Amino acid sequence: EAQVTQNPRYLITVTGKKLTVTCSQNMNHEYMSWYRQDPGLGLRQIYYSMNVEVTDKGDVPEGYKVSRKEKRNFPLILESPSPNQTSLYFCASSLSGFYGYTFGSGTRLTVV
Amino acid sequence: AQKVTQAQTEISVVEKEDVTLDCVYETRDTTYYLFWYKQPPSGELVFLIRRNSFDEQNEISGRYSWNFQKSTSSFNFTITASQVVDSAVYFCALSVFPFYGNKLVFGAGTILRVKS
Repeated sequence: EAQVTQNPRYLITVTGKKLTVTCSQNMNHEYMSWYRQDPGLGLRQIYYSMNVEVTDKGDVPEGYKVSRKEKRNFPLILESPSPNQTSLYFCASSLSGFYGYTFGSGTRLTVV
Repeated sequence: AQKVTQAQTEISVVEKEDVTLDCVYETRDTTYYLFWYKQPPSGELVFLIRRNSFDEQNEISGRYSWNFQKSTSSFNFTITASQVVDSAVYFCALSVFPFYGNKLVFGAGTILRVKS
């Protein structure tokens, strides 16, 4: 089954404790992206990647890091999480902008 | 810059009513794609439709229909004879060619509550 898998689904952590949210896709898509969803703001792009070793900032990159060492994986790293990063996070992959994205199931992160 | 506005924050209807969700977009690009996604209470994002800027034909899929009007920069979504299972958050989104960062620009979403 074609899918984007992200883990964990739920995560509660403390301020400053480094964490990684994993994302993997099995569709051989070149494009991958991370979004965060906040009430009243919709989804906003954090980082994107157009291919292996090619990543760039989206609209809200502060406090996040990503890497793309393999085509299928695109982890999101929060090196020092803060409460304002409490949000619902989605990983997504795409063949191109013509097709939009296939989204993962989401990771609900709470930073206390 | 691109922008998507979903002015209706929340809509409540009674089952079997028709409901229209509004979406207005802004872009100076001539080639772009518009999307609708559904987010049910379980939280995942479900793709509903994609429409390119050169195709203004309306689309119908079962109880769902979409009205794309370039003259008013709108891409509205109508659910006919709504059902409780339609309760969800609905997002309209825009992607412009050449797809800078392959970014989808989302509206804030409309919460639809269908009561039995």
